[in-house]
Amino acid sequence: DQQVKQNSPSLSVQEGRISILNCDYTNSMFDYFLWYKKYPAEGPTFLISISSIKDKNEDGRFTVFLNKSAKHLSLHIVPSQPGDSAVYFCAASGGSNNDMRFGAGTRLTVKP
Amino acid sequence: DTAVSQTPKYLVTQMGNDKSIKCEQNLGHDTMYWYKQDSKKFLKIMFSYNNKELIINETVPNRFSPKSPDKAHLNLHINSLELGDSAVYFCASSRLEGVSGYTFGSGTRLTVV
Repeated sequence: DQQVKQNSPSLSVQEGRISILNCDYTNSMFDYFLWYKKYPAEGPTFLISISSIKDKNEDGRFTVFLNKSAKHLSLHIVPSQPGDSAVYFCAASGGSNNDMRFGAGTRLTVKP
Repeated sequence: DTAVSQTPKYLVTQMGNDKSIKCEQNLGHDTMYWYKQDSKKFLKIMFSYNNKELIINETVPNRFSPKSPDKAHLNLHINSLELGDSAVYFCASSRLEGVSGYTFGSGTRLTVV
């Protein structure tokens, strides 16, 4: 069962515009959410996180929003740059252990 | 000075063989993990080790066995390889509370022919 879902397999945006990547989860025990970025032939790298006590966390061009009632989070990248082109994984953890569950990823392409 | 290193990067082997993938982390993290990225690109937890104790064991075939000689290493042994084992396997590590997330290795692409 996929407890973390990224329903958009791909997203294409123009350089300089905003990229919005979405993620939904089903497990109400999750209390920590993360975004990872993955380039081809590399492992995922941690990008930004948010705990369930917050609804927004910002780090430079990256902002993550959490809507607990909707069990939804999103990653905003603004302005988008060609170097942001990668696969972005949403992940969540919480409950009885720190087992982290990942979404299937969204491939972002930023066009120059 | 790679934080999490796994070897080999590519592994091609025949059905029925036994193989191992090694993983080492130099971050001083307490917990190490093995993830499998399947053909649908899902990253699925397989195992985790905390201070040499198995704390997660997802429903993976018992042909897969993690071996942790020490806190910095978590190797993955696979016996009697099957075609369906072909995937990319990622090793990762984290502090116990995982506040800053996991640090992943670059992955091992296993192809069973």
